[in-house]
Amino acid sequence: GQNIDQPTEMTATEGAIVQINCTYQTSGFNGLFWYQQHAGEAPTFLSYNVLDGLEEKGRFSSFLSRSKGYSYLLLKELQMKDSASYLCAVRDSNYQLIWGAGTKLIIKP
Amino acid sequence: IAGITQAPTSQILAAGRRMTLRCTQDMRHNAMYWYRQDLGLGLRLIHYSNTAGTTGKGEVPDGYSVSRANTDDFPLTLASAVPSQTSVYFCASSDLAGTDTQYFGPGTRLTVL
Repeated sequence: GQNIDQPTEMTATEGAIVQINCTYQTSGFNGLFWYQQHAGEAPTFLSYNVLDGLEEKGRFSSFLSRSKGYSYLLLKELQMKDSASYLCAVRDSNYQLIWGAGTKLIIKP
Repeated sequence: IAGITQAPTSQILAAGRRMTLRCTQDMRHNAMYWYRQDLGLGLRLIHYSNTAGTTGKGEVPDGYSVSRANTDDFPLTLASAVPSQTSVYFCASSDLAGTDTQYFGPGTRLTVL
């Protein structure tokens, strides 16, 4: 079967750095996405990795290792508005997105 | 309109009733998708359409039907609602099927009693 694993919940302090991990087992791999979803709102696109390595976008970075079936999302200089759920999704061999259940990130002042 | 709109925002429905959730996008995207999101589970694909005039089944299609008569609209119909269809429904679109980033509408919160 196909599986995406993420921690259910994480807590971090404003101004700090947090790393959210995602491991996957899918039938094929055609890219990995990270989305942010605030409570009661729609998911919004954050990043896309298809090759191994780090993609940096301002305070957010995403890393991929295809051989390990592993990705992480790194958030720096945390702000209260970063409190949200972070969804990891993998595009499989059929080009369909397989979604993790999401990691709820709680930021404390 | 900018992006994707969904209607209604929320709905309470009696079991056995028919319901259509509406989705419209103005980005001229070719592909559209319907997902449901339940607590503790990832988004699950119900149906998709790679281009106007075509549709396909996702992971959880039973009890749902879709149509894609034109590029902009992708309605989702529950023929006879059951309580297990209580969920938040998201419509999404992408420029090209399978290769592009998906963009989401605001969602419809549906409760079936």
